[in-house]
Amino acid sequence: NAGVTQTPKFRILKIGQSMTLQCTQDMNHNYMYWYRQDPGMGLKLIYYSVGAGITDKGEVPNGYNVSRSTTEDFPLRLELAAPSQTSVYFCASTILQGEETQYFGPGTRLLVL
Amino acid sequence: KQEVTQIPAALSVPEGENLVLNCSFTDSAIYNLQWFRQDPGKGLTSLLLIQSSQREQTSGRLNASLDKSSGRSTLYIAASQPGDSATYLCAVNGQDTGNQFYFGTGTSLTVIP
Repeated sequence: NAGVTQTPKFRILKIGQSMTLQCTQDMNHNYMYWYRQDPGMGLKLIYYSVGAGITDKGEVPNGYNVSRSTTEDFPLRLELAAPSQTSVYFCASTILQGEETQYFGPGTRLLVL
Repeated sequence: KQEVTQIPAALSVPEGENLVLNCSFTDSAIYNLQWFRQDPGKGLTSLLLIQSSQREQTSGRLNASLDKSSGRSTLYIAASQPGDSATYLCAVNGQDTGNQFYFGTGTSLTVIP
């Protein structure tokens, strides 16, 4: 199993550009999450999904969109990049929310200039 | 809203020393608490998960305790090694926050050979 994979590893965007951060898991997990981690801060939940076709907002959803068309994939979309979105983005998944651990991807480092 | 605090923010100890990391949370109505390890530039790796009905969990040299009523958890690391150097984060999943996990800002641990 590859676990949770994320692409790209690093990206520089100009203000106003769009991009999609990819996340894929091969563990057949229903629950998937997107977090952002700012320097010196903990992780904050952006969006999550409890299964294909179902998504919901987390603590900091503004400026982002997600979709979940398959169990494996959970892409995060930035429509109009802003400097405040400079961060490290982590995708995670779990088989049983609240009772099992979350597995994290290696992260995507995004710089918006 | 749940607030998670970790003290100290940074800790440096000589190899072989036993140490304790602290995590506190403001809302005691939680499903579980998890401790994670994060190496520089990497994702998070789960160390221990404690359900709300449990008092402690152990894995090798690690022991995590949970006192839900006082909103506190500790991670005890025995006989520390240089390979333990990393940032340690705790996260709680609350009963009234649905699928939201709230993370602390972490404790950066350095074990000196």
